[in-house]
This record gives sequence, structure tokens and C-alpha cells, in this order.
Amino acid sequence: EAQVTQNPRYLITVTGKKLTVTCSQNMNHEYMSWYRQDPGLGLRQIYYSMNVEVTDKGDVPEGYKVSRKEKRNFPLILESPSPNQTSLYFCASSYNGQGGREKLFFGSGTQLSVL
Amino acid sequence: KQEVTQIPAALSVPEGENLVLNCSFTDSAIYNLQWFRQDPGKGLTSLLLIQSSQREQTSGRLNASLDKSSGRSTLYIAASQPGDSATYLCAVKDRGSTLGRLYFGRGTQLTVWP
Repeated sequence: EAQVTQNPRYLITVTGKKLTVTCSQNMNHEYMSWYRQDPGLGLRQIYYSMNVEVTDKGDVPEGYKVSRKEKRNFPLILESPSPNQTSLYFCASSYNGQGGREKLFFGSGTQLSVL
Repeated sequence: KQEVTQIPAALSVPEGENLVLNCSFTDSAIYNLQWFRQDPGKGLTSLLLIQSSQREQTSGRLNASLDKSSGRSTLYIAASQPGDSATYLCAVKDRGSTLGRLYFGRGTQLTVWP
């Protein structure tokens, strides 16, 4: 089954404790990206990757790191989480380029609470 | 930088009505525009993708149009049903100064009552 898998689904942590949220896709997609969703602010892109070893900042990259060493995985790293990073996080992937195959597939989300 | 606006923010209609959701964007340099559906507590599901060279796409009771020059898209839902209740978001993929970045609107929360 084609899917984007995020883990964990829920995470409660404390300020300053490094954490990683994993994202994996099985569709051989070139494009992968991370978003956070906050009430009243909508969905905002954190980082995106057009292909392996190619990453770019989105709207709100501060406090986050990513890496794209393999095509299928795109982990999101919070080196020193702070309470303002409490949010619902989504990973998504798609094909690049034209041709109508660029539909974005989303993971189920990770609800992060930083105390 | 793109700004994406969706109007209305919320909509409540009786079952069976045809309805239109609106999305506008500020920069016409886009690869594509997508419409998504989000149910509470869930991820987003892509409903329709319109490439920059296209004018519209259809899937079942859904029809999305794109007027790139005026920076507008509409999602038309025919014969609405209670199961259509969800938040609908549009997003553009930039091909301008922020190549490859996606910009989302804040969504229209739709309620269809029986």
C-alpha cells in the first residue's frame, strides 16, 4: 500500500531534550516536506527536499533540522525543543516535475507537546 | 513570496446544495495548485491537482478551476452530502523566487447538514 509513515503519532517531551520525528515513504517520490499546523495560522512549511541531499528552508525553519540521505526517509530533528514548537506536524511526499503526478501524499501527523 | 487566501473561512449548508469554495494567490509563477480535504485530527488528502497549463480538473462531484493570470481557483462541489463536511485547503507550488516551496491557504471549514 502506498503510504507516508510518520512516527511517533504522539510525543510529549521537555524543553531542551533533542528529538527526532521520522518520515518514510514507499512511493519512490523525489519531493518530501515537513509542515506544522497551528490553530489560526494554518499549515506552514518547515523544510522541503527536491531530492536526495537537496534540502531547502520553508516558511518556518528556525529550530528545526532535516537531512535527506536516502530517497525514502526525511527525518525532522529538533535539537533543543521549546514550548513554541508544540504543534501538529505533518510529513508529505510527491513526485517532482510536470505531468500531473505531483499529488501530495500526507502522513497521519505527529502531535508534539513540549513542556 | 506567495500569499494564499481562502474565502469563506466557514460555510454551513443543507444537504443537496451546490457550493463554491474560493482560493486566491498573489504570484502567478506556480507549478500547480492542489485542493485538499482534512478531517478533524487527520492528515490531508489531495482531491484535485491542476497543473499551471490547465484550466480545470474534475473528479466525481468535484470540479476545480484555475485562472492563473488572475490568481484564482475555485472548487465546485455538486449535490453536497453530510460526508463532505471537512476543512478544504488549497495550496500552490511556487516556481518563482521560492522554487518548490508550497504555500497553503488557511482553509474553508464546510458543514453539510441533513
